[in-house]
Amino acid sequence: DADVTQTPRNRITKTGKRIMLECSQTKGHDRMYWYRQDPGLGLQLIYYSFDVKDINKGEISDGYSVSRQAQAKFSLSLESAIPNQTALYFCATSETGQGTDTQYFGPGTRLTVL
Amino acid sequence: KQEVTQIPAALSVPEGENLVLNCSFTDSAIYNLQWFRQDPGKGLTSLLLIQSSQREQTSGRLNASLDKSSGRSTLYIAASQPGDSATYLCAVSRGSNYKLTFGKGTLLTVNP
Repeated sequence: DADVTQTPRNRITKTGKRIMLECSQTKGHDRMYWYRQDPGLGLQLIYYSFDVKDINKGEISDGYSVSRQAQAKFSLSLESAIPNQTALYFCATSETGQGTDTQYFGPGTRLTVL
Repeated sequence: KQEVTQIPAALSVPEGENLVLNCSFTDSAIYNLQWFRQDPGKGLTSLLLIQSSQREQTSGRLNASLDKSSGRSTLYIAASQPGDSATYLCAVSRGSNYKLTFGKGTLLTVNP
């Protein structure tokens, strides 16, 4: 089984709808991240969380919110989806204090907003 | 603001060739640099991580170098194989908060 899972893998929705993307991890890591990737652009950080009570905005947080329900779960919400939020969304995890700082990524969620 | 640039944007080579992918960054005050591989539908896989105090890291046919003072890193792939075909991303971390700044990637195609 994958260490970092994302649901759904694909979603098509309409403008104005509320959407939640979910991420779960079995790696036992304390840090979790949400990124979006647009064609021709690098990954951009939306939100990150260093533990359940610590949530921080990234580079492009406007229009998004997150919830860290447990150490293993980190959800991303689009309260009122708009077409320019069409993108590939990735969740990632890492572990504090291990010296390597490697981030482990989920398979991604492809979101289309019509 | 840190900017990461990867050159070339796309590269096509015959199988067996050795190749180099380039990454440059504007702010040399980095904590570490990572190279990732992205396959369609499978997310990103970390290949190599170089701490700011290191000059290179090796894993199998892959060797990544870091010249922090000049803001450059290279990923060397020896004896390329069709299975190496993927997009390769470079990312730098600016501190212990582990936020990554990514380049746009190099799309590598290795032809049999």
